[in-house]
Amino acid sequence: AQSVTQLDSQVPVFEEAPVELRCNYSSSVSVYLFWYVQYPNQGLQLLLKYLSGSTLVESINGFEAEFNKSQTSFHLRKPSVHISDTAEYFCAVNTDTGRRALTFGSGTRLQVQP
Amino acid sequence: KAGVTQTPRYLIKTRGQQVTLSCSPISGHRSVSWYQQTPGQGLQFLFEYFSETQRNKGNFPGRFSGRQFSNSRSEMNVSTLELGDSALYLCASSPLAQSSYNEQFFGPGTRLTVL
Repeated sequence: AQSVTQLDSQVPVFEEAPVELRCNYSSSVSVYLFWYVQYPNQGLQLLLKYLSGSTLVESINGFEAEFNKSQTSFHLRKPSVHISDTAEYFCAVNTDTGRRALTFGSGTRLQVQP
Repeated sequence: KAGVTQTPRYLIKTRGQQVTLSCSPISGHRSVSWYQQTPGQGLQFLFEYFSETQRNKGNFPGRFSGRQFSNSRSEMNVSTLELGDSALYLCASSPLAQSSYNEQFFGPGTRLTVL
C-alpha cells in the first residue's frame, strides 16, 4: 500500500519570501509523484509531476520539486511567492501499475500575506 | 479543447435519498476517475472507468456506484444518502495509455450537501 504525508497543514508566508511545502511518501514499488493546487471552489490543477528522469521538476509559474528516493520525499519549493499563490496544495502518488488511483496527502494551505 | 465538465455544480439532498452526478471528460479521453473530498478524510479515490468497464475501485461501500457510457461520459450514483456523504465529488479524465502513466485532468467538482 502507498501513503502520502504532508506534515504542514498550514504555511503562512509573506509575499516575495521563499516557501517549501513538504511531502513524504511511502511505497514499496516505483512511484509517480504529483503536486496539485486547488483554489477556492475549484477542482484540482496539476502543478508538476515526476514520472522518471531528472529528479528536479519545474512548473511554468516558478514552482519546483525534487524527487529524493533515499528520503522518500517530493518537497515543493518556490523562491518568491505572490499573493496569487494562496491556495491549497496537494501532494499525490501513484504506483507503477497502470492504474489511475491517486493517493493524496492531506493538503497544505499556503497563505501568502502582503 | 474544453475541460472536464461536471453537472450539477451544487446539490442538496436529504438523508435516505439517492443522487446521480455526471461527468463529461475531455474529448478523446477514455479513462474517467472519481474522487471524494471531505474536510475529515481528504481526497479519496472512488473508482475508475475505462471503455465502459470499472477498472479499479476504492474502499467505499456498495452504495457508491458508477458507470461509463460509450461516449466516455460517466455518472456516479450514491444511494441511501447519509450525512457523511456530504462532500465535493471530483471527476478526472485521462487519455488512453496501456503502459505509461498519463496525468489526470480534474473537473470543478459537484458539491453535495446531505441534510
